[in-house]
Amino acid sequence: QVQLVQSGSELKKPGASVKVSCKASGYTFTNYGINWVRQAPGQGLEWMGWINTKTENPTYAQGFTGRFVLSLDTSVSTAYLQISSLKAEDTAVYYCAREYDSSRKYYFDYWGQGTLVTVSS
Amino acid sequence: DIQMTQSPSSLSASVGDRVTITCRASQSISSYLNWYQQKPGKAPKLLIYAASTLQSGAPSRFSGSGSGTDFTLTISSLQLEDFATYYCQQSYSIPRSFGQGTKLEIK
Repeated sequence: QVQLVQSGSELKKPGASVKVSCKASGYTFTNYGINWVRQAPGQGLEWMGWINTKTENPTYAQGFTGRFVLSLDTSVSTAYLQISSLKAEDTAVYYCAREYDSSRKYYFDYWGQGTLVTVSS
Repeated sequence: DIQMTQSPSSLSASVGDRVTITCRASQSISSYLNWYQQKPGKAPKLLIYAASTLQSGAPSRFSGSGSGTDFTLTISSLQLEDFATYYCQQSYSIPRSFGQGTKLEIK
């Protein structure tokens, strides 16, 4: 069965970096893109960007350029989100999600369980 | 970028009620509209894609309709397990924007 399993919660100080992983199983990893979604405490879902698992080309939403890097290790079917120079406002749950393409109708059919990143001194 | 606006932001209803949530896009998105359900502390779950196609495993009391800029999610008879937050999302273009969410609470 398809699964996306994310790494565990992180507590980081302002200015540090964090790398969140999303390990896929149960399907051919390079057949589907991986998206990342942020959810700040008590807030809604915010699309951060996606990475093409065939070309490894990332695309970022406005507001998620510069300090945010999406990457892959296709040999272990894993996607990564790295955030540098962490700020308190980066405190959020970060989700990865597989994007399915059904005759060019795109949707996020499987999600990771979420990774809580807390930034606090 | 396409903006998605849901209404209402919150809604109180009772078990057995029929409930409708609306979602409006800032420009036409054809039928590239998805609906997700999220319960506290859990990842979102896909309910409906392409505006009206029920995801495998989603209960048949959920239905979606609309095209262009205006869409609705309807729950025909609310069950206890349906009290959650619902999000629409457009997949017409990048960035894949979400609505702000509709929190469905027990009356």
